[in-house]
Amino acid sequence: NAGVTQTPKFQVLKTGQSMTLQCAQDMNHEYMSWYRQDPGMGLRLIHYSVGAGITDQGEVPNGYNVSRSTTEDFPLRLLSAAPSQTSVYFCASSKGTGGNTIYFGEGSWLTVV
Amino acid sequence: AQKITQTQPGMFVQEKEAVTLDCTYDTSDPSYGLFWYKQPSSGEMIFLIYQGSYDQQNATEGRYSLNFQKARKSANLVISASQLGDSAMYFCAMREFLNYGGSQGNLIFGKGTKLSVKP
Repeated sequence: NAGVTQTPKFQVLKTGQSMTLQCAQDMNHEYMSWYRQDPGMGLRLIHYSVGAGITDQGEVPNGYNVSRSTTEDFPLRLLSAAPSQTSVYFCASSKGTGGNTIYFGEGSWLTVV
Repeated sequence: AQKITQTQPGMFVQEKEAVTLDCTYDTSDPSYGLFWYKQPSSGEMIFLIYQGSYDQQNATEGRYSLNFQKARKSANLVISASQLGDSAMYFCAMREFLNYGGSQGNLIFGKGTKLSVKP
C-alpha cells in the first residue's frame, strides 16, 4: 500500500517555465488537496477536490491549475513559474471530507530561479 | 480572521520534562476536528493526535495528549517526558465538517511552533 505518492521530490525551474507536480493515491479516497508551505506561514490550501471531475480553489490558487480526471490522481500544474512559487508542496487525501484520517505525501521541494 | 493561532513561534524544553504547545481556534461550525502534526527537519508531516468537537474526553496517544477546552476554543498539545527526537515543528490544524465557512473538509493550519529539546 503506497499511500500518497508525490513526484518529483525536488525540482528547480526557471522563471516562466511550466511543470506538473504529480500526486497519486491508491486508497480510493474521494478527497484530495494541495498545500504549499512557506517559512513562517504554515500550510496553505491551493486547490482541492471532493471527487473525480470536481475541483475548487483554496486560499492561494493563483498561478496553479488542477484537474481530477480519475479518483487516484490529482496533478498540480504551474502554468508559468515565478520565484514566489518557490515553496514546499504537499498533497493530501482522505476518504471523505469528515473524519480524522488524512494522509500526506512526503512533499515536493520546488525552487524557481 | 485567523482561524488557528499558535502564539509560540519557538520553545525550549529540557529532556524528560513535559511541554505544552498552545493552539486556539475560531469556527462557527458546530462539528469540527482538531489535529496536531509534527514536522521534523526531514520535512514529512507526521500525524500525532486528533480531537473531535463532540468528543467528551481529551484525546491521548502515548506521550501526547490534547488539552481540549471547547468553551475557550483551545486545543493545546501536551508532550510528556520530552525526548531529543521531539525536536521539530509542530502544527495545529482544524477541519470543519459542515461547511459553515465554505471550507468543508479542508485542513486549516496554524503557523507552527518550533520545539527544541535540550539534553
